[in-house]
Amino acid sequence: DTGVSQDPRHKITKRGQNVTFRCDPISEHNRLYWYRQTLGQGPEFLTYFQNEAQLEKSRLLSDRFSAERPKGSFSTLEIQRTEQGDSAMYLCASSPTGPSGYTFGSGTRLTVV
Amino acid sequence: AQSVTQLGSHVSVSEGALVLLRCNYSSSVPPYLFWYVQYPNQGLQLLLKYTSAATLVKGINGFEAEFKKSETSFHLTKPSAHMSDAAEYFCAVSDYNNNDMRFGAGTRLTVKP
Repeated sequence: DTGVSQDPRHKITKRGQNVTFRCDPISEHNRLYWYRQTLGQGPEFLTYFQNEAQLEKSRLLSDRFSAERPKGSFSTLEIQRTEQGDSAMYLCASSPTGPSGYTFGSGTRLTVV
Repeated sequence: AQSVTQLGSHVSVSEGALVLLRCNYSSSVPPYLFWYVQYPNQGLQLLLKYTSAATLVKGINGFEAEFKKSETSFHLTKPSAHMSDAAEYFCAVSDYNNNDMRFGAGTRLTVKP
């Protein structure tokens, strides 16, 4: 088991462009989470999936953001028409059902210029 | 709604000294509490978790935390700091279903030689 993988590690994009991030969770975990972390802050919840179903979305997830988890395996997070305020670390985590804690990936750092 | 508050955004200790990082929680349901550590440009690593069993929880790297319901606290301690402990530490809370884990703003630990 290689843990949670995120790709790319870093992304620099121009304002207005679309970006897509990928997360590969631990294969036995049925739950997958996306968080956003800005400098000096704790992670903020964006959304989570149980298998392929997206069960909850934060109000932080504007209509420019969309997440998918086809077939309940990997997940993608797309940001359309990026803004400078989208610059942050995007963290993916996975877990089994129950209070076991999350396993996080190394994150994707997005810089919008 | 659940939340955690971490008291002190920065803590500095000398190598070999006691580490104490404070966390207070608010929860309307029995809380499940976690401490994570984050090194620069990395994701979060689970240090330890409280899941309603023993109130004194031991984790990795010599850290431990005690759940005190009367004080709504879950402070993290380590008897003797090591240089490698320098990092950002996050307290987090969730419910039994592990949904929507909420993180504190973090405490940056500096260890002086």
